[in-house]
Amino acid sequence: EPEVTQTPSHQVTQMGQEVILRCVPISNHLYFYWYRQILGQKVEFLVSFYNNEISEKSEIFDDQFSVERPDGSNFTLKIRSTKLEDSAMYFCASSDQLGFGPDTQYFGPGTRLTVL
Amino acid sequence: SQQGEEDPQALSIQEGENATMNCSYKTSINNLQWYRQNSGRGLVHLILIRSNEREKHSGRLRVTLDTSKKSSSLLITASRAADTASYFCATARLLGNEKLTFGTGTRLTIIP
Repeated sequence: EPEVTQTPSHQVTQMGQEVILRCVPISNHLYFYWYRQILGQKVEFLVSFYNNEISEKSEIFDDQFSVERPDGSNFTLKIRSTKLEDSAMYFCASSDQLGFGPDTQYFGPGTRLTVL
Repeated sequence: SQQGEEDPQALSIQEGENATMNCSYKTSINNLQWYRQNSGRGLVHLILIRSNEREKHSGRLRVTLDTSKKSSSLLITASRAADTASYFCATARLLGNEKLTFGTGTRLTIIP
């Protein structure tokens, strides 16, 4: 069964460093998302991506964050200058189209980001 | 309460019993989805119910949706030790690219 994959599974970085989290969505899916979950808290939406552009972003997704779909298969999240509070589990998700909008979202296993 | 808030926050039952978790939300929705998360792991999609549906089944799972009360319930029948996990409801709005708003989750423990 197709699944969303994410690499790395765990990333440790120093505050102020740039990190790139990578995702391979399910093939032929059209909608892509990033969410994060700070330890012990609820899952929070970061950004959605459709038709090669950001369709929506949350307040969390400030200028330090960016997303890219560089080659038609990968979907990346970049944090330019990490902060301690960026430590969290980051989930990528993708969904197919149903009617005029997206269908069920399938999540990857997550990347645990630890900022020291 | 916040959009997508589950209760109880924690639930412990004996293996073989049924587990019921509830979710309440505030705004109009397109659909509501339930996910399972084992400790520190990814989110596994369980079931999606659309706003025009009232009940849906998948194996040992039964989900109901009451849009007039803005609430949903997830019933797991004949629970197993492997069902131990956190369960989240997530709502998708009527319009937009269907970003999901997650609840706080119910931590379910099945006692063998």
